[in-house]
Amino acid sequence: QVQLQESGPGLVKPSGTLSLTCAVSGGSIVSSNWWSWVRQPPGKGLEWIGEVFHSGSTKYNPSLKSRVTISVDKSKNQFSLNLTSVTAADTAIYYCARDRVATVVYDDTFDVWGQGTLVTVSS
Amino acid sequence: DIQMTQSPSSLSASVGDRVTIRCRASQSIRSYLNWYQQKPGEAPKVLIYAVSTLQSGVPSRFSGSGSGTDFTLTISALQPEDFATYYCQQSYSIPRTFGHGTKVEIK
Repeated sequence: QVQLQESGPGLVKPSGTLSLTCAVSGGSIVSSNWWSWVRQPPGKGLEWIGEVFHSGSTKYNPSLKSRVTISVDKSKNQFSLNLTSVTAADTAIYYCARDRVATVVYDDTFDVWGQGTLVTVSS
Repeated sequence: DIQMTQSPSSLSASVGDRVTIRCRASQSIRSYLNWYQQKPGEAPKVLIYAVSTLQSGVPSRFSGSGSGTDFTLTISALQPEDFATYYCQQSYSIPRTFGHGTKVEIK
């Protein structure tokens, strides 16, 4: 059973870079699935940041695209998020998730999630 | 971006009640509609994908319906463990977008 675990600093200074890693266990990152990042400001809703395929192909939310890089490390079975020029508005719980793209039509869903990690942007 | 609008934003209900949550997309998303449940301090959990297919392990009291732009999540008889926030999400196009959530509270 695939499990995901986020790791990285819980505090980032304004104008700095937020860097998180998601370790995939119980399965290979080399699969038909995409690997996503989703964030949730405290007490608010969910925002999709972007995703990566094991080949390195990426898809990003246009609202964040200029600041986001998502990459994959197949040798370590993990993928990463870099978000530059952060402000207080980037304070959120960051989740990594598997975007399951199955063979069944219309089946494209975030079916496995990490526990989430709170990142606070503050000096 | 496709906007997902949920209603109501919150509701109060009793154990055993039938609960209906609605989700409207700003354009047709065919059947690329998923529902998630999130409890405080936890990650979201997928309940239903492709409008009406129950994720493995999800109780049959949850059901989904709709197509195109209008969708519904129904809980046939609310249980104590169902008090949570529910989100709809479209996977038709990039960026993936979520509704703002419906908080189901105890009456």
